[in-house]
Amino acid sequence: DAKTTQPNSMESNEEEPVHLPCNHSTISGTDYIHWYRQLPSQGPEYVIHGLTSNVNNRMASLAIAEDRKSSTLILHRATLRDAAVYYCILRVLLNNAGNMLTFGGGTRLMVKP
Amino acid sequence: EPEVTQTPSHQVTQMGQEVILRCVPISNHLYFYWYRQILGQKVEFLVSFYNNEISEKSEIFDDQFSVERPDGSNFTLKIRSTKLEDSAMYFCASSGRPTGNSPLHFGNGTRLTVT
Repeated sequence: DAKTTQPNSMESNEEEPVHLPCNHSTISGTDYIHWYRQLPSQGPEYVIHGLTSNVNNRMASLAIAEDRKSSTLILHRATLRDAAVYYCILRVLLNNAGNMLTFGGGTRLMVKP
Repeated sequence: EPEVTQTPSHQVTQMGQEVILRCVPISNHLYFYWYRQILGQKVEFLVSFYNNEISEKSEIFDDQFSVERPDGSNFTLKIRSTKLEDSAMYFCASSGRPTGNSPLHFGNGTRLTVT
């Protein structure tokens, strides 16, 4: 499986943008880049995903490098509710009957008021 | 917005007892998963399930574990004879398609405590 590398932790101030980096230098051409987050005492929550082009949704933006070996999750204005562990995961297609996510350690985002 | 629901939220059991963890996936989803997270550790894949059979399982998912979709809405994880090391949060997830272009939707988990 292609692996991802993320910083263990990051800090941000409330109301400021946050850029969470992820390296995935061994990504294959068919791997989608997924981001999930896990708030304290909750299950993982889907944030955003993409393949080659940058993506935007109501939660965040995903910027994907042209060579696809890295990506950045962008929270445009961090709130205290965004404090969570953020996981960058490559979605591996195992077979036609489903596939799994391999979670790493993620980046613990702390948001200061 | 549809969500995955899990019951109970907390289950306490004695070592050697059987437990069944229940999940109701999103109604039009066809692919189902169980993950677990031991306190302070990473989220780990256990098993994926499609068309009434297991499509992939990890080394953790040994003979003590089984999954079932007993009706059109529930998806269960059974642990036959619990061990202390089975204590963890267990998360159910579902997705609409098997491709990388389809996100997984997770429930909020069942905390299993084995004493």
